[in-house]
Amino acid sequence: TQLLEQSPQFLSIQEGENLTVYCNSSSVFSSLQWYRQEPGEGPVLLVTVVTGGEVKKLKRLTFQFGDARKDSSLHITAAQPGDTGLYLCAGSPLQGDAGNMLTFGGGTRLMVKP
Amino acid sequence: EPEVTQTPSHQVTQMGQEVILRCVPISNHLYFYWYRQILGQKVEFLVSFYNNEISEKSEIFDDQFSVERPDGSNFTLKIRSTKLEDSAMYFCASRPGTGGAQPQHFGDGTRLSIL
Repeated sequence: TQLLEQSPQFLSIQEGENLTVYCNSSSVFSSLQWYRQEPGEGPVLLVTVVTGGEVKKLKRLTFQFGDARKDSSLHITAAQPGDTGLYLCAGSPLQGDAGNMLTFGGGTRLMVKP
Repeated sequence: EPEVTQTPSHQVTQMGQEVILRCVPISNHLYFYWYRQILGQKVEFLVSFYNNEISEKSEIFDDQFSVERPDGSNFTLKIRSTKLEDSAMYFCASRPGTGGAQPQHFGDGTRLSIL
């Protein structure tokens, strides 16, 4: 069974601060997705990382996939109150698993105070 | 932008009753999924469906659960005899085709409350 551990679980910061969320596993994933989930809604895709060492940027958000494809990080620069929400990482197993089920981390609940 | 739609948004059912949760995946997608999220816990995989058959299922997806694609647009999850512990948010997801890099897109979920 593949497991993804996210840290921290909760993060409360002031507007303008930087933060990093981590997603770690002992298993190798073929790809890893980051989602954001608002209360009462489904997860909304932010990014997919596929290649070991890959870095993707989405405005003030920077996503990195570890070289061994076992871990990932999300870095937010100059956080804003609009960044408040639940951030989820989810990994796809290596090729050969036909369904490509996602394994989710436990989530990081971020609050950015004005 | 195309999206996955789920109905109803909230379902309240008596324990022991059958319930059917409905999903309309994105139209050109080929893989369909159900996940659940018990309050305060991780999102958990239930089942994946491709080419009109189950391709993977988790230990949670026991004989009380079934999935169906009754027509070209709907994808349903049936729980035959609901239990209190089935109370959760149920999310449907879909993705275009093969290849792990193609991400899954999620609906807004159905909140199932078993009384």
